[in-house]
Order: sequence, then C-alpha cells, then structure tokens
Amino acid sequence: TQLLEQSPQFLSIQEGENLTVYCNSSSVFSSLQWYRQEPGEGPVLLVTVVTGGEVKKLKRLTFQFGDARKDSSLHITAAQPGDTGLYLCAGADSGGGADGLTFGKGTHLIIQP
Amino acid sequence: KAGVTQTPRYLIKTRGQQVTLSCSPISGHRSVSWYQQTPGQGLQFLFEYFSETQRNKGNFPGRFSGRQFSNSRSEMNVSTLELGDSALYLCASSWHPTSPSVYEQFFGPGTRLTVL
Repeated sequence: TQLLEQSPQFLSIQEGENLTVYCNSSSVFSSLQWYRQEPGEGPVLLVTVVTGGEVKKLKRLTFQFGDARKDSSLHITAAQPGDTGLYLCAGADSGGGADGLTFGKGTHLIIQP
Repeated sequence: KAGVTQTPRYLIKTRGQQVTLSCSPISGHRSVSWYQQTPGQGLQFLFEYFSETQRNKGNFPGRFSGRQFSNSRSEMNVSTLELGDSALYLCASSWHPTSPSVYEQFFGPGTRLTVL
C-alpha cells in the first residue's frame, strides 16, 4: 500500500512570511498533484508535476517534484490570508484512474493578517 | 463551463437508515469517482465509474454502492448507516479514467452526511 505523509499537519503563520510544506513517500509515483481545499468545498487542483526534479510556479506558489519521484514540496512566498486552506498532495501510480491515486491527509494552513 | 455539482449539500440521518447521494459531472466528462473524507483518515477512494461500469472499488464494505447513468450522472448509496459513516462525501469527474502518467480530476463541493 502506497502512503503519502504530509508535514506539517498544521501551520499557522503571519501574513508576509514564507513557508514550505512537504509530501513524502517511500513509493515512486508517475505524477503528483497538489490541491487546495477550503471549508465547505471540494479540493481544487493547483498543479500536476510529472517529471522528476520538475519545478512549477503558480504566482507565489512553487511546487517541486523530487528527483526520484517519491516526494514533493510546496513553497509559498509572502503568504496572504487568501492562502488559508487545507493543502493536499495526491500521487498517481502508473495504472491511472482514481483508484491509482493516493492522497495525503493534508496540511492545514492558516495565514493570520 | 459548469463544475461538478452534488446534491444534497447537507444531510442528517439516523443509524440504520439508508442514503442516496447524487453527482453531476462536468459536461463531457465520462469518469466519476467517489471519495469519503474524514478528519482521521483523510480522503479515501470509494469507487470509480466510467461509461456506466464500475472500474474499481476501494476498501469499503458492501453497504457502499454506486451506479452511473447514461448521461454520466452518478449516485452512491449507503445502506444501514453507522455513526462512523459521518463524513464529507466528494465526487470528482474526469474526462477519461486512464492516462499514461497523469490523472486529473475535478471535485464537487461534497455532501456533508451526519449520522445520529
């Protein structure tokens, strides 16, 4: 069974600070996705990384896929209150389909004004 | 383009009852997946449907079932509800269930089920 460990589980910081959240596994994934979920809503896909070592930027968010495709990180620069939410990573195995997706339990992020 | 819609948004039931949840995927998407989300276990895969056929099923008891209609709309049913079934039930749609290395899906807002 593939497992994805996310850390930290909870993070509360002040507006303007930088932060990094991590998504780690002992398994290799063919791709990895990051989602953000706000209270009362479903997760929204932020990015998909496919190639080992890949770095993608989405405004103040930087996503990196580990060289061995076992881990990923999300770095937020100058965090804003609108970044508050639950950040989930999900790894896809080569089989494809939803049954091939493994979700981490998420990082609860609170950005205080 | 309208997103994934789920009805109802909130539901309160008592133990032993059954419940049916509905999901309408994004237009053109033929794959619908269901997940259960709880604080303790996170997001857990229930099952996936494509072209009215169940492609795969997660590790849940037979009380959890689903189906997909010809218009790709899907329903899931939980019979003989237990307290532990209280959760956010999420539906996600995708254009196609398989892809060489990428599987992207779009989630609905979920149905919050409370079992008393």
